[in-house]
Amino acid sequence: KAGVTQTPRYLIKTRGQQVTLSCSPISGHRSVSWYQQTPGQGLQFLFEYFSETQRNKGNFPGRFSGRQFSNSRSEMNVSTLELGDSALYLCASSLTSGTYNEQFFGPGTRLTVL
Amino acid sequence: AQSVSQHNHHVILSEAASLELGCNYSYGGTVNLFWYVQYPGQHLQLLLKYFSGDPLVKGIKGFEAEFIKSKFSFNLRKPSVQWSDTAEYFCAATSGSARQLTFGSGTQLTVLP
Repeated sequence: KAGVTQTPRYLIKTRGQQVTLSCSPISGHRSVSWYQQTPGQGLQFLFEYFSETQRNKGNFPGRFSGRQFSNSRSEMNVSTLELGDSALYLCASSLTSGTYNEQFFGPGTRLTVL
Repeated sequence: AQSVSQHNHHVILSEAASLELGCNYSYGGTVNLFWYVQYPGQHLQLLLKYFSGDPLVKGIKGFEAEFIKSKFSFNLRKPSVQWSDTAEYFCAATSGSARQLTFGSGTQLTVLP
C-alpha cells in the first residue's frame, strides 16, 4: 500500500507570495492533518480535515488555510509569506478522525521563504 | 494547556549501551501517548503507542516504553542501541479534549560505532 505522498518536496518562495502544498493520504484514509516543523518551535499542529470538513485547528494565523477534496486529498495554502514560514510542512493521514487513530506521516514539503 | 516535555535534547551513546529517553506530559483525564522516530532524511515513523491496559508497551526495533501515571511519564527504553538507531525521537500525546497530536521538542540520539 502506498504511503502518504506530498508534493512538491521542495519550494523556494519570496516574502509576500503565496504557496499551495498538496497531500495524498494512504488509500482508504479519510482524515488528513497538517503540521509545521521548525528548529525553534518543533512540531506544531496546523489543522485536521475529515470528510472535507475542518475538524480541528491549531494556533496559526488566518494566512494558513486548507481544504480537503472528496477523494480525501488535501491542500494547504499560505498567503503573504513571511520569512518565519520557512519550515518543513508535514501531512499525516489516518483512517478516521479521533484520538485513537494512528497517524501516518508523509516525507514533508520543505518551504524556504527568501 | 496540554504539553509534552522532553528534557534530553541530545543524547550520545556508544553501541550496546542502554537507552532511556524521558517524556513527561501535562494532560487532565485520559491521555494517549506515542513515540515517533525520524531517521535522517526519512519521514516520521511510529515506534509505539499507549492507549490503555498494560503500562509497559513494546514497539518496533526492540524499543519499549513505560506509562507511569503517577509521574506523568512515558519514557522510551532500549536495552542495547545500535548505530542505526541514530535519529531524532519525538514523544507525543492526544487526549479526549485535544485530539491533535501534541509533540515534545524531540531528542536527537547519536550512537557512536
